Amino acid sequence: TQLLEQSPQFLSIQEGENLTVYCNSSSVFSSLQWYRQEPGEGPVLLVTVVTGGEVKKLKRLTFQFGDARKDSSLHITAAQPGDTGLYLCAAPPGGSRLTFGEGTQLTVNP
Amino acid sequence: DAGVIQSPRHEVTEMGQEVTLRCKPISGHNSLFWYRQTMMRGLELLIYFNNNVPIDDSGMPEDRFSAKMPNASFSTLKIQPSEPRDSAVYFCASSSGQGTGGYTFGSGTRLTVV
Repeated sequence: TQLLEQSPQFLSIQEGENLTVYCNSSSVFSSLQWYRQEPGEGPVLLVTVVTGGEVKKLKRLTFQFGDARKDSSLHITAAQPGDTGLYLCAAPPGGSRLTFGEGTQLTVNP
Repeated sequence: DAGVIQSPRHEVTEMGQEVTLRCKPISGHNSLFWYRQTMMRGLELLIYFNNNVPIDDSGMPEDRFSAKMPNASFSTLKIQPSEPRDSAVYFCASSSGQGTGGYTFGSGTRLTVV
C-alpha cells in the first residue's frame, strides 16, 4: 500500500487545456512537496506546502495543501508541451527522509 | 554549483558482476539519499546518511547492496553480485536537512544487468 496515492496515473491532453492532479493519503504530514521529472533526469522540486489550506502559485501552476494536511492538488492552467513530465508528490513520514507517490505522467500534445 | 553529480550515467553489466555507483552531493548539504526508480515500484528510498553516518538502511533490498559515505563529498552504492532484477535507475539526492528544504537530485545512473 502506497503512503501517497496519486491520480490519475496517466493524463494526455491538448495544449491549452486545464488539468488537476491529486495526491492523497490517510496520514497527516507536516509538509508536502511536488516535483517534476523529465525523461533521463532526476526529479526537480517545484514547491513545498506547509500550512493546511495553503495555496501557492508558480506561473500557471497552482498547488493546494488540504485543510487536514492529508492531501494536495496541482492545477495547471492552459497546459503547454513544456509541462510534459512525471509529477511526483512527496512527504516526510518521519525524520528528514521523503516518501514519494508513484506519480502522474502528463503528456501535453501540441 | 554543479548540482548533485552521479557517475556513470549508464552501466551495463553481466549478472554476477560487481557494480559501483558514485555520487557527489552539493557542497554544504549534510543529508544524502539513495533512491531506486522502476516502473513497477516508483521511487524507493534505499538508504540515507546524515553527516556521513547511515541513518536508515531499511530500504536496502538485501545483503548484496551496500553503501558508504567516507566523507561529506562522496558516496558509493555497491551491488555485489548483481542480478537482472537490480536493473533500474538509481538516483542520489542531497539536502541541507533544514526545515522543509527539498531534495536536489542527480541525473541518475541507469543500470542494466543482463
